[in-house]
Amino acid sequence: EAQVTQNPRYLITVTGKKLTVTCSQNMNHEYMSWYRQDPGLGLRQIYYSMNVEVTDKGDVPEGYKVSRKEKRNFPLILESPSPNQTSLYFCASSLRDLGDSPLHFGNGTRLTVT
Amino acid sequence: SQELEQSPQSLIVQEGKNLTINCTSSKTLYGLYWYKQKYGEGLIFLMMLQKGGEEKSHEKITAKLDEKKQQSSLHITASQPSHAGIYLCGADRGDDKIIFGKGTRLHILP
Repeated sequence: EAQVTQNPRYLITVTGKKLTVTCSQNMNHEYMSWYRQDPGLGLRQIYYSMNVEVTDKGDVPEGYKVSRKEKRNFPLILESPSPNQTSLYFCASSLRDLGDSPLHFGNGTRLTVT
Repeated sequence: SQELEQSPQSLIVQEGKNLTINCTSSKTLYGLYWYKQKYGEGLIFLMMLQKGGEEKSHEKITAKLDEKKQQSSLHITASQPSHAGIYLCGADRGDDKIIFGKGTRLHILP
């Protein structure tokens, strides 16, 4: 089954403790992206990647890192999480030609930073 | 920067009634996507519109993109409880970034 898989689904952590949210897709998509969703603010793009070893900042990249060493994986790294990073996070992927292909989303990771 | 404005923010309709959700952009859209999200869950792709004047339908949901490619509407005919959720429009901004509106919460009253 074609899908985007995120792990974990739920995560509770403390301020400053490094964490990684994994994302994997099995559709051979070039484009991958991370979003966060917050009440009243909607979905905001954190980072995206057009292909392996190519990553770019989205609209809210501060406090996050990503890597794209393999085509299928796009982990989101929070080196020193803070409470304002408590949010619902989504990973998504698409074929490179965005105008012809929609984003496919994972089921989300709900992160709480205390 | 380009933003997507959705209206209304929230909508409550009686089961069986028709409804329309709008998505407006300040700039021409390269591609317009509609998604549905159940509360706290992932986004389900509904439809993609690319050409001015394009219209697509799936079951009881119809989406249209205006000729100028700056406004889209999502119309649900004879709404059902299964239509309840959050509807989001997304657009290809043309710079490898895809942005989203803030969503419209739809409640269906039995």
